[in-house]
Amino acid sequence: GEDVEQSLFLSVREGDSSVINCTYTDSSSTYLYWYKQEPGAGLQLLTYIFSNMDMKQDQRLTVLLNKKDKHLSLRIADTQTGDSAIYFCAESMNRDDKIIFGKGTRLHILP
Amino acid sequence: GAGVSQSPSNKVTEKGKDVELRCDPISGHTALYWYRQSLGQGLEFLIYFQGNSAPDKSGLPSDRFSAERTGGSVSTLTIQRTQQEDSAVYLCASSSGGPDTQYFGPGTRLTVL
Repeated sequence: GEDVEQSLFLSVREGDSSVINCTYTDSSSTYLYWYKQEPGAGLQLLTYIFSNMDMKQDQRLTVLLNKKDKHLSLRIADTQTGDSAIYFCAESMNRDDKIIFGKGTRLHILP
Repeated sequence: GAGVSQSPSNKVTEKGKDVELRCDPISGHTALYWYRQSLGQGLEFLIYFQGNSAPDKSGLPSDRFSAERTGGSVSTLTIQRTQQEDSAVYLCASSSGGPDTQYFGPGTRLTVL
């Protein structure tokens, strides 16, 4: 069955890099996503990666995919207080298909 | 243009009552999704509509839950005989195709007393 696992909490000092990890079980997943949910705000797509890619970089965000181990990570460089949010790892089999989410990792920024 | 809208934003109901939650997707989006976010449970897929195809109802937790999408646009999620465990934020999303085109609404917070 489909399952996405991620740790529930991460604390990082301001200015350091944050690395949020995720594992998924469905090897046929084609798209893997990272969503951000800030307090009182809606769910926002941060970035996504195709399963045939190893890495995707977008400004301070780097996504790494290890398809063999079904492991996805999100690295946020130079973490800022505005990065404080819940980050959801997610996967889908096809474009427009239902998206299966993990439980989310709450990122806490230490001063 | 306008994003995905949901109404009501908050709903408090008594156990055993029926509720209807509404989602207005982005105009022209062919795909519409319902998810549920409970405390500590992350986002749980409920149901998915794509064009004129039969909906994927595989995530609905019980037969008390149903959803319709009229005219390929507005969708209504109905929960009959609500239970306290139905309390959650119900999120709707729509998509026009492609993995980066899915947009979420603000959600409806349902509280069952």
